[in-house]
Amino acid sequence: EAGVAQSPRYKIIEKRQSVAFWCNPISGHATLYWYQQILGQGPKLLIQFQNNGVVDDSQLPKDRFSAERLKGVDSTLKIQPAKLEDSAVYLCASRLMTGSGYTFGSGTRLTVV
Amino acid sequence: GNSVTQMEGPVTLSEEAFLTINCTYTATGYPSLFWYVQYPGEGLQLLLKATKADDKGSNKGFEATYRKETTSFHLEKGSVQVSDSAVYFCALNPNSGGYQKVTFGTGTKLQVIP
Repeated sequence: EAGVAQSPRYKIIEKRQSVAFWCNPISGHATLYWYQQILGQGPKLLIQFQNNGVVDDSQLPKDRFSAERLKGVDSTLKIQPAKLEDSAVYLCASRLMTGSGYTFGSGTRLTVV
Repeated sequence: GNSVTQMEGPVTLSEEAFLTINCTYTATGYPSLFWYVQYPGEGLQLLLKATKADDKGSNKGFEATYRKETTSFHLEKGSVQVSDSAVYFCALNPNSGGYQKVTFGTGTKLQVIP
């Protein structure tokens, strides 16, 4: 089966600019996650979708981050305006059912300068 | 709350050495436990999992046994290869009903030298 697709792979922007990331999960996976992974740390959950509804966005900095999954399939994560501390890898993952493992995409490495 | 604690890295081993990466957890009930591997420049890949006490997950020569009495899920491999160099993450899924949020450890970097 095809994996989780993410784009772009790399992005360099200046602080205060905006950026958007895209994710297409595995077909049939209702649950989609966005994680932020800062260098040397484990993934931190930003937002979880179940179909096109938000299940958990408690750690999403809502003053600058937004995410949507309009048709319950692919998703976009946006940062506006970006800060230096947003430099990280942004990972998208999907899961078929509760208790199964996640399938992660390759991630988008964001550098804010 | 739930938490996962992993041994700090990096762990440096010679090829064909025995590997152990320790992982302990704190959770109520009966969580599912996972090991993920992240190769340089890539996302995380599920390596193995165990869903109940005394289960042993295994894949690609790696093994981990779910020990509820010691709340541990240590990763082992009998003979590591250079290609095993990566960061390994222990994780748990609480399975407590309702909304479930997977908790990841901070990762342990493994370096295998020829």
